[in-house]
Amino acid sequence: QKEVEQNSGPLSVPEGAIASLNCTYSDRGSQSFFWYRQYSGKSPELIMSIYSNGDKEDGRFTAQLNKASQYVSLLIRDSQPSDSATYLCALDSGAGSYQLTFGKGTKLSVIP
Amino acid sequence: ETGVTQTPRHLVMGMTNKKSLKCEQHLGHNAMYWYKQSAKKPLELMFVYNFKEQTENNSVPSRFSPECPNSSHLFLHLHTLQPEDSALYLCASSQDLAGNQETQYFGPGTRLLVL
Repeated sequence: QKEVEQNSGPLSVPEGAIASLNCTYSDRGSQSFFWYRQYSGKSPELIMSIYSNGDKEDGRFTAQLNKASQYVSLLIRDSQPSDSATYLCALDSGAGSYQLTFGKGTKLSVIP
Repeated sequence: ETGVTQTPRHLVMGMTNKKSLKCEQHLGHNAMYWYKQSAKKPLELMFVYNFKEQTENNSVPSRFSPECPNSSHLFLHLHTLQPEDSALYLCASSQDLAGNQETQYFGPGTRLLVL
């Protein structure tokens, strides 16, 4: 069974600090990895996608992928109170599979 | 309207009622999805449609019945639901089937309460 593990949190960081969110997965065949942000009572919205090992930066967000160790992380630099939300890790199963498997999410709280 | 829309946004129904959830995407996508999100559980994929043909049914009880009349519209018909079916039901779409670097875009969801 495919599993995606995330620390449920809450992860509390002070405003301006770096927030580090981690995700591990069990399916070595996964090829596409996504981070979604979900505000309370709202639907998930895509923050980052990453497909190759290494880092991918987009503004204050950096996604890191290590397929050998089966983890993907999201770093948020200069954290703002508006970043407070639940962050969902999602990945596909590769080999032509089109299903995304989601983690339970990590709740981030940025303290002003 | 842009993106993915869902109606109603909130729904309260009794166990003997029949209701339908509606999803419409204005993105020109070919694939649409129904997900269930319960408290403290991961998003659960329920159904997948590609070019209005169902390609996946993840062992969903028959009291949930999907319908996809065209690539832009997706319905979820509900009947004789149970209280444990109370959840946020999310519709999503992608250009083609997920995986292969396809991004799924979510609608705002329907918050369902079954009494």
